Amino acid sequence: QVQLVQSGAEMRKPGASVQVSCKVSGDTFTGHALHWVRQTPGQRPEWMGWINTGNGKTRYAQKFQDRLTFIRDTSASTVYMKLSGLRSEDTTIYYCAIWTAEWEAFGDWGRGTLVTVTS
Amino acid sequence: DIVMTQSPLSLPVSPGEPASISCRSSQSLLHANRYKYLAWYLQKPGKSPQLLIYLGSNRASGVPDRFSGSGSGTDFTLQISRVEAEDVGVYYCMQGLQPPFTFGQGTRLEIK
Repeated sequence: QVQLVQSGAEMRKPGASVQVSCKVSGDTFTGHALHWVRQTPGQRPEWMGWINTGNGKTRYAQKFQDRLTFIRDTSASTVYMKLSGLRSEDTTIYYCAIWTAEWEAFGDWGRGTLVTVTS
Repeated sequence: DIVMTQSPLSLPVSPGEPASISCRSSQSLLHANRYKYLAWYLQKPGKSPQLLIYLGSNRASGVPDRFSGSGSGTDFTLQISRVEAEDVGVYYCMQGLQPPFTFGQGTRLEIK
């Protein structure tokens, strides 16, 4: 089973950027589709996009297309999510999750990282 | 985008009683390979979502057999045969057919 360890809570001002990390362990780093999902408590999860940890290819939800970047560091078995141009509505919990191909679903999730955007 | 709609949004259930949650998609989730790309997750308070059911009707590893999933191309049901206290939380359906992958609003199950 894959373990996903995320970085700690962050606080930023509006207009700034934030980077959240997700370290993969318990399996080889390459060969996964690693997704990011965010969720404000009490609301449904919102899919943001994914990165292929093997070749680095990315796909972003149209909503985040112009301010979201996923980067992988194979030496550290870590994926980074960078969100720029932060606004108050970006205050939420960000999860990384592994897509399990044989199940066509998210089989493993990180514990989540709270990002707070406040002036 | 595929819209996922769940009902009910709140579900109070007595221990040992059955429970049923419905999920409807705005378009068919039946893939050309004949699998239905619908998953169910349970999010316990303060935790990440955990996979319960995948491809419409398959229980994930470690999920008790009191949980079952069924459905057609657009209408799906999660059933719990006998609710236990540990089943409390919010249940989400999610379509995995095409990005953006979308979730239902969630159904909050509570123990009466």
